[in-house]
Amino acid sequence: DAKTTQPNSMESNEEEPVHLPCNHSTISGTDYIHWYRQLPSQGPEYVIHGLTSNVNNRMASLAIAEDRKSSTLILHRATLRDAAVYYCILRDTNTGANSKLTFGKGITLSVRP
Amino acid sequence: ETGVTQSPTHLIKTRGQQVTLRCSSQSGHNTVSWYQQALGQGPQFIFQYYREEENGRGNFPPRFSGLQFPNYSSELNVNALELDDSALYLCASSRAGGSYEQYFGPGTRLTVT
Repeated sequence: DAKTTQPNSMESNEEEPVHLPCNHSTISGTDYIHWYRQLPSQGPEYVIHGLTSNVNNRMASLAIAEDRKSSTLILHRATLRDAAVYYCILRDTNTGANSKLTFGKGITLSVRP
Repeated sequence: ETGVTQSPTHLIKTRGQQVTLRCSSQSGHNTVSWYQQALGQGPQFIFQYYREEENGRGNFPPRFSGLQFPNYSSELNVNALELDDSALYLCASSRAGGSYEQYFGPGTRLTVT
């Protein structure tokens, strides 16, 4: 599985936008970019995923670089509830039903009131 | 829609013992994956079950085994427990052929003494 690189941690202020970066310079053409987050004492939670185009959903936006070697998860207005570990993951669509997730250490987001 | 549930929540075992962890998948999901998460690390893929058969395995020894039942629920069995098996064990369900989003349960915290 292709690897991703994320900063260890980031701090933000409540109600401000947050941009969480992810580098994946060895991404292949069939890799989707997935983001999951894990709140304290909970299992990981799906946030968003994309292939080439930018994506928006109710939780966040995903901005993908034109060369696909990096992406940014955007939380438009951070809340205290968004404090979590955010994982950027590449998943090969060719694996079909064998859709394992390969987690790194993720980035720990702290939100200040 | 019922989410992924796991039991028990916490468990304490002695080195050398055997343990069985249980997972009920989300309604409509036919694939179950198990992950091990050590403290301060991201989850690591153990194996996946699809249509009651193992469908992919991570770098875990054979003493980690599993089952999937006709109702798509699953068990993780670990024999000859070692101290390093102390971790949070996460179950995730998904729908093969879908968008590959995985839905995680809250996990079982296993402590081996």
